[in-house]
Amino acid sequence: GAGVSQSPSNKVTEKGKDVELRCDPISGHTALYWYRQSLGQGLEFLIYFQGNSAPDKSGLPSDRFSAERTGGSVSTLTIQRTQQEDSAVYLCASRERWRTGELFFGEGSRLTVL
Amino acid sequence: AQTVTQSQPEMSVQEAETVTLSCTYDTSESNYYLFWYKQPPSRQMILVIRQEAYKQQNATENRFSVNFQKAAKSFSLKISDSQLGDTAMYFCAFILDDFGNEKLTFGTGTRLTIIP
Repeated sequence: GAGVSQSPSNKVTEKGKDVELRCDPISGHTALYWYRQSLGQGLEFLIYFQGNSAPDKSGLPSDRFSAERTGGSVSTLTIQRTQQEDSAVYLCASRERWRTGELFFGEGSRLTVL
Repeated sequence: AQTVTQSQPEMSVQEAETVTLSCTYDTSESNYYLFWYKQPPSRQMILVIRQEAYKQQNATENRFSVNFQKAAKSFSLKISDSQLGDTAMYFCAFILDDFGNEKLTFGTGTRLTIIP
């Protein structure tokens, strides 16, 4: 596709359930980022990938959060045993290898934990 | 660790006027990049403008320009002839020029409203 695609766009789940959020970056973009944005707040860095490797996982809030990227393309963010404080918009972004900081964002996945 | 501070949570301005959004950052490094991103109500973030720290000349993109003061660690965004479509959240962002550290750090944002 032409842009970064995220799915689902909206997810409502019950506390304690696991969820998976998917990101399909722009073709050819080697770097992929995950951020979390709570209502009306800024962007909280979670993790970024260069290819299939994650040099910086420092933003993952707890061990309930994990992410992987396969084939240098699609990435999945998994949240296990969801809590109400996990409710937020999860944004994915990608960029070309040499375009430092120039991220292209998806529209996000809005997660609501009841 | 690098930090980015936006001290204006909200601003509003009349259409066609000029508005300046403030951003300060903290780093001990000398090579880095600064950005302004825009997030309209539709939610999708887009890049507005980019500044390389090694460049003294301020970046300009049409109605958008920056005032980069490296010594003061200040990076403000000026929007000239503001339009209704400029209504959005604006985020300042920082990244080191370091192959091994490509984390983009955002400020908390400024909500800008353009009044007709």
